[in-house]
Amino acid sequence: KAGVTQTPRYLIKTRGQQVTLSCSPISGHRSVSWYQQTPGQGLQFLFEYFSETQRNKGNFPGRFSGRQFSNSRSEMNVSTLELGDSALYLCASGILAGGSYEQFFGPGTRLTVL
Amino acid sequence: TQLLEQSPQFLSIQEGENLTVYCNSSSVFSSLQWYRQEPGEGPVLLVTVVTGGEVKKLKRLTFQFGDARKDSSLHITAAQPGDTGLYLCAGATGAGNMLTFGGGTRLMVKP
Repeated sequence: KAGVTQTPRYLIKTRGQQVTLSCSPISGHRSVSWYQQTPGQGLQFLFEYFSETQRNKGNFPGRFSGRQFSNSRSEMNVSTLELGDSALYLCASGILAGGSYEQFFGPGTRLTVL
Repeated sequence: TQLLEQSPQFLSIQEGENLTVYCNSSSVFSSLQWYRQEPGEGPVLLVTVVTGGEVKKLKRLTFQFGDARKDSSLHITAAQPGDTGLYLCAGATGAGNMLTFGGGTRLMVKP
């Protein structure tokens, strides 16, 4: 089975711009979660999508949004970029196993905001 | 807000030594997961513990979930340079696939 793929792997933007990141989950996985990883804050949950619906949301401003398509692929969008949005954005594909979700992370998209 | 405190933050040891990483919270989690992350990659799931008091072994790694499901530990026996990496604990609560991560323990094992 192919793993979780994220595109692009690296991105450089300037303040005020907007960006869209893409995630293709493992085939058959309907849950896709997004996380932001920074040296100062560690890994923080952004949101989770399941069957095209946002099921959980973390504590991030409305500039961060996402969506999921019928094939389970997901995108996240960040509008009006700020310097502090520079981070590794990780997507995780999840499947329920033994009463809890097993998550499989992609390699991430490294976003640099200048 | 649920928090997971992980300790120590950094650990540098010699090959062959044993070590333990701790993950503590005041919140109860339905399950707790341990991940290992290497530079330039996403975290890789090592184990999921679900039942209070549960102990799982993965070769030289032993994972324990506290009786009250608020804390967990990872013990590595006879560490090897290949164990070097960032170890993360993550707790799950409620419905859905949402994890609260600890701050991570950066382990370096010197040959």
